[in-house]
Amino acid sequence: DTEVTQTPKHLVMGMTNKKSLKCEQHMGHRAMYWYKQKAKKPPELMFVYSYEKLSINESVPSRFSPECPNSSLLNLHLHALQPEDSALYLCASSQDRSSVYEQYFGPGTRLTVT
Amino acid sequence: GQNIDQPTEMTATEGAIVQINCTYQTSGFNGLFWYQQHAGEAPTFLSYNVLDGLEEKGRFSSFLSRSKGYSYLLLKELQMKDSASYLCAVPDNTDKLIFGTGTRLQVFP
Repeated sequence: DTEVTQTPKHLVMGMTNKKSLKCEQHMGHRAMYWYKQKAKKPPELMFVYSYEKLSINESVPSRFSPECPNSSLLNLHLHALQPEDSALYLCASSQDRSSVYEQYFGPGTRLTVT
Repeated sequence: GQNIDQPTEMTATEGAIVQINCTYQTSGFNGLFWYQQHAGEAPTFLSYNVLDGLEEKGRFSSFLSRSKGYSYLLLKELQMKDSASYLCAVPDNTDKLIFGTGTRLQVFP
């Protein structure tokens, strides 16, 4: 199984809502990532978890809160988002954080903040 | 810091060959990745080069010259389904993957 799954596929939320994005992989990968991608732009790294511990936070606003409950799951909790946060949110995983390993991306969650 | 340059857009004809270039400047080098991304979909891994030279994988090949800070992705026998964005990516010295802006390739019949 070389698949990273993400739910939901689409999400529309108001600026006062609280929602969560979920990501799962069963490849035994020990590094997991959240990226944000705007239209016609490359993915921008938000967070990296390595062995279930947060190892990189790219100065992301606190309205985005990541969580790694176990080695297979990665969540992104959303609260009080702004319309400019509308984007495709991609989860990825790799064998570990070493740069020699390819990252496997999930299909993404298309988020619209109204 | 990292700087990665690739052309923004390219067009080509079905059955042709196209070369997508990528130049990079990094402090240290830990390899270079190419990913393909169809519109609205996730990036998928195409290749990883860490040594100089050409690596061939079916219709796709990737070339690296570390001394020149240069790579290219070569796509042969183009098919309509090859219309996508092609992202060049280089890890920085914290192993964080830095993506280029991507090259949008359109293949016409």
